[in-house]
Amino acid sequence: AQSVTQLDSQVPVFEEAPVELRCNYSSSVSVYLFWYVQYPNQGLQLLLKYLSGSTLVESINGFEAEFNKSQTSFHLRKPSVHISDTAEYFCAVSAFSGYSTLTFGKGTMLLVSP
Amino acid sequence: DVKVTQSSRYLVKRTGEKVFLECVQDMDHENMFWYRQDPGLGLRLIYFSYDVKMKEKGDIPEGYSVSREKKERFSLILESASTNQTSMYLCASRGPMNTEAFFGQGTRLTVV
Repeated sequence: AQSVTQLDSQVPVFEEAPVELRCNYSSSVSVYLFWYVQYPNQGLQLLLKYLSGSTLVESINGFEAEFNKSQTSFHLRKPSVHISDTAEYFCAVSAFSGYSTLTFGKGTMLLVSP
Repeated sequence: DVKVTQSSRYLVKRTGEKVFLECVQDMDHENMFWYRQDPGLGLRLIYFSYDVKMKEKGDIPEGYSVSREKKERFSLILESASTNQTSMYLCASRGPMNTEAFFGQGTRLTVV
C-alpha cells in the first residue's frame, strides 16, 4: 500500500514570489508520482507526472517537481507565482505495476495575493 | 480530447432517498474510480472497477454501492442517503500501465 503526506494545508504567498509545496510518500514498491490542481468548483486536472527518466519534470505553466527517491519526496516548485495560480494542489502516488489505485494527499491550498 | 462526464454538477436530496451518481468516459479505459472529497481530508476512494461487472471496495465503501454494466459507464449508488454523505463526489478513469487518471467536474451532493 502507498500513502502520501502533504506537509502544509495552506501556503500563503505574494504574487511573483517563489513557492514550494511539499509532498512525501511511502511505498514498499516502485511508484509513479503525480501533481494535480483543482480550481474552485472544478474537477482535478493533471499538472505534471513522473513516470521514469529525468527526475525533474516540468509543466507548461512554469511549475516543476523533482523526484527524490532517497528522501521519498516529490516537491512542487514555481519560481514566480501569479494570482491565477491560486488553487488547491494534490500530490498522488500509484504503484508501478499490477492493479493499483491513485492514493492522494490531503491537499495544499495555495493562496496568492497581490 | 479526453472526457469524463458526471451527470450532475449539483444535487440536493432528502435523507433516506436512493441516489444515483452517473459517470461516463469516452476513452475506452478499463479502470474507473469514485472518490469523495471533503475539506481537510483530501480525496478518499469509495469504489473502483477494473472491468465491466467488476468492482472493488476502496477505503470508505460503507453506505455506497456501484454498478458497471458497460465499459464506459460507472455509477455510484447511495442506498439510503444520510446527511454525513453530503460531499463532493469525483469520478475518474484511467488507462492501462497505471498512468494518470482523468477526472470529471465533480458532483456536489447535499443531503438534507
